[in-house]
Amino acid sequence: EPEVTQTPSHQVTQMGQEVILRCVPISNHLYFYWYRQILGQKVEFLVSFYNNEISEKSEIFDDQFSVERPDGSNFTLKIRSTKLEDSAMYFCASKRERLQETQYFGPGTRLLVL
Amino acid sequence: GDSVTQMEGPVTLSEEAFLTINCTYTATGYPSLFWYVQYPGEGLQLLLKATKADDKGSNKGFEATYRKETTSFHLEKGSVQVSDSAVYFCALSDQDNNDMRFGAGTRLTVKP
Repeated sequence: EPEVTQTPSHQVTQMGQEVILRCVPISNHLYFYWYRQILGQKVEFLVSFYNNEISEKSEIFDDQFSVERPDGSNFTLKIRSTKLEDSAMYFCASKRERLQETQYFGPGTRLLVL
Repeated sequence: GDSVTQMEGPVTLSEEAFLTINCTYTATGYPSLFWYVQYPGEGLQLLLKATKADDKGSNKGFEATYRKETTSFHLEKGSVQVSDSAVYFCALSDQDNNDMRFGAGTRLTVKP
């Protein structure tokens, strides 16, 4: 069964450094998402992406964040200058079409900012 | 905006006990409702879903019924196992938002 994959599974970085989190959505999916889960807290929506542009973003998704689909398979989340409070689990998700209810989640990347 | 309120945890049960995790929602439209499960060290896995009122989602012995009159989607299982120990998230999505709104999660621990 096809699944969403994410790399790396864990990343440790110094405050102020740039990180890129990578996701490979399910191949025939068209809608892509990033979510964040700070340890012990709820899963929060960051951004949705369709047709090579952002369709929606939350208040969390400020100018430090960007997303890109550099080729036909990868979907990346970049944090330009990480802060301590960016430490969290980041989940990528995808779905085939807008009216499809279910989003399929990857296993997550655990980011630790020191 | 749309939101999900979920029973506070943690919940600790003995094996074979009955489980209920409460979930209520607020939505302006007609959302689809979901339960996701997160096992230790893993990502979010879809457990079950319901897309309209009175639908019942079920999987692995878990059930939840979409109750529009009470705006609820409570998760139940008749007899839990140690392997059910995980964090359970209630969530909703609708066509207007195009994103999922999650509850805070409920940590379930099942003891032998």
